[in-house]
Amino acid sequence: ILNVEQSPQSLHVQEGDSTNFTCSFPSSNFYALHWYRWETAKSPEALFVMTLNGDEKKKGQISATLNTKEGYSYLYIKGSQPEDSATYLCALRSNDYKLSFGAGTTVTVRA
Amino acid sequence: DTEVTQTPKHLVMGMTNKKSLKCEQHMGHRAMYWYKQKAKKPPELMFVYSYEKLSINESVPSRFSPECPNSSLLNLHLHALQPEDSALYLCASSRDSTGNTIYFGEGSWLTVV
Repeated sequence: ILNVEQSPQSLHVQEGDSTNFTCSFPSSNFYALHWYRWETAKSPEALFVMTLNGDEKKKGQISATLNTKEGYSYLYIKGSQPEDSATYLCALRSNDYKLSFGAGTTVTVRA
Repeated sequence: DTEVTQTPKHLVMGMTNKKSLKCEQHMGHRAMYWYKQKAKKPPELMFVYSYEKLSINESVPSRFSPECPNSSLLNLHLHALQPEDSALYLCASSRDSTGNTIYFGEGSWLTVV
């Protein structure tokens, strides 16, 4: 199991504000970086799978960037809405295809 | 809506009980996974099945016994569990073991008393 770290552990943001948070991972044995959004009592929902250094992906108001050389990824939420409240998990897929998760960043959007 | 279905959603069992968690997907995926998550911790991989064969066992105690009867079903048989095994058990699937996107179920909450 590889050490994947997410920070901060939790954050509160006012509705309409933008926010971002970090996933850091060991850059050796990199295969892919996954982002999931996990709402309470639901299943984790795949947001992005990123494989190339410099990748940028976007889904609605959520976007992510990837730096495989330095081992980090940022997730951005632009114009946060209450429905963006969730725990965002990143996971590193290594060359042996195993998925190692971070502990998540829990985002609470206040109306 | 999740396309990976897990039952039961909640299970309470005694330490001498035998029970099973079930997982089903009809996406034609050939890789299926069991993860365990304790509160505030990352999900941890337990088992991977690829084409109905066990390909990864992450040194899981034998009181957890996985079974893949066919390409759509994945079971986790539980016997003689300990209270510290109480956790959320997540099932997931992907196209194959190298597949890009892994789809998760909602999980089964297990409490061992």
